[in-house]
Amino acid sequence: GDSVTQMEGPVTLSEEACLTINCTYTATGYPSLFWYVQYPGEGLQLLLKATKADDKGSNKGFEATYRKETTSFHLEKGSVQVSDSAVYFCALSDRGNDMRFGAGTRLTVKP
Amino acid sequence: EAGVAQSPRYKIIEKRQSVAFWCNPISGHATLYWYQQILGQGPKLLIQFQNNGVVDDSQLPKDRFSAERLKGVDSTLKIQPAKLEDSAVYLCASSIYSQNTEAFFGQGTRLTVV
Repeated sequence: GDSVTQMEGPVTLSEEACLTINCTYTATGYPSLFWYVQYPGEGLQLLLKATKADDKGSNKGFEATYRKETTSFHLEKGSVQVSDSAVYFCALSDRGNDMRFGAGTRLTVKP
Repeated sequence: EAGVAQSPRYKIIEKRQSVAFWCNPISGHATLYWYQQILGQGPKLLIQFQNNGVVDDSQLPKDRFSAERLKGVDSTLKIQPAKLEDSAVYLCASSIYSQNTEAFFGQGTRLTVV
């Protein structure tokens, strides 16, 4: 069945460092791909999405490109801030299927 | 636009007791999901409704968990009897459609079974 695999965390970075969180997927169809963020004590919030190959989703300085050839959707940010500290989830939604989530990657950004 | 509302935010119960969670999705969203999120893991789908019909409940432990969505709007998730391993955050989410669209999440209910 469809699945998502994320890089294991936790990830600790200094402020203004570059961030990459790897995500790869397995799907039988043509899924839409998502990154969700969960700040401490809150529910999941959609960060960005891409609905077809080569689409780039972006929001709040974060970007991810839907790569069909490598079945990947890596999350990137050029300069992280302390306020970016959260847990990040990669997810996919395919025809007729529910939204499948990766295990999550905890990011801590230190001043 | 109001978001997905869930209650209660926190609940502590003893094992073998029963508990119920409530969810009110975003107005107009046909699809409603209940997820279980165990600490340190990603959300796991328990049940998916399309309007008031069940689309997928393959991962719902039906011997103790039940859910309903009367009139295709609000939903309740019940656990009876609860076990220690049910301690988790229960997330409700809704989306306009069930395919290829993003889900909007409530803040969740943190359940602790002691």
